[in-house]
Amino acid sequence: DVKVTQSSRYLVKRTGEKVFLECVQDMDHENMFWYRQDPGLGLRLIYFSYDVKMKEKGDIPEGYSVSREKKERFSLILESASTNQTSMYLCASNLGDRDGSPLHFGNGTRLTVT
Amino acid sequence: SQKIEQNSEALNIQEGKTATLTCNYTNYSPAYLQWYRQDPGRGPVFLLLIRENEKEKRKERLKVTFDTTLKQSLFHITASQPADSATYLCAPEGGGGNKLTFGTGTQLKVEL
Repeated sequence: DVKVTQSSRYLVKRTGEKVFLECVQDMDHENMFWYRQDPGLGLRLIYFSYDVKMKEKGDIPEGYSVSREKKERFSLILESASTNQTSMYLCASNLGDRDGSPLHFGNGTRLTVT
Repeated sequence: SQKIEQNSEALNIQEGKTATLTCNYTNYSPAYLQWYRQDPGRGPVFLLLIRENEKEKRKERLKVTFDTTLKQSLFHITASQPADSATYLCAPEGGGGNKLTFGTGTQLKVEL
């Protein structure tokens, strides 16, 4: 069965800390995505990647960076965490060669920045 | 800019009835639209995809319509069950590259 695994379900960090959120997929998918989900705002795309070492900004990239050194792993980095980055973070992946390929999501990391 | 609207208020219906959820979008023309289900504390799960040249798509008790003139998709669950209670997200294609733009979702509660 298809699986996207996020390393932590809950994370509490202090303002100013560097934070790494890890995501691994076992489906050999080309595309990987990071979203954040906030009440009333829905899912918003932060960054995505079409291939190893490739990355593109989504709708809200400010304050974030990403890394994709291997096909199966996509990391989201908060260089200096701030309280407005408290949110649910969702990683997803899909096939790159088929238009409309469904997204497969992990179960999210709920990050609290204090 | 692209905008997606889903009923923000929860939809409460009785078991056995048909639930109908609405998704309206403005300022663009997606080539396809997907629907997802999300349970509390979990990531969204894909349900159905409908393309711009399709009027209707069915899967078991689920039906989706796509009206590109009205810029609207309707999601129906027939013979609803308490297990169908969840938040349903509409996600039109958002500009190529298999990117999706998500609505805020509609919470459905099916009562006995």
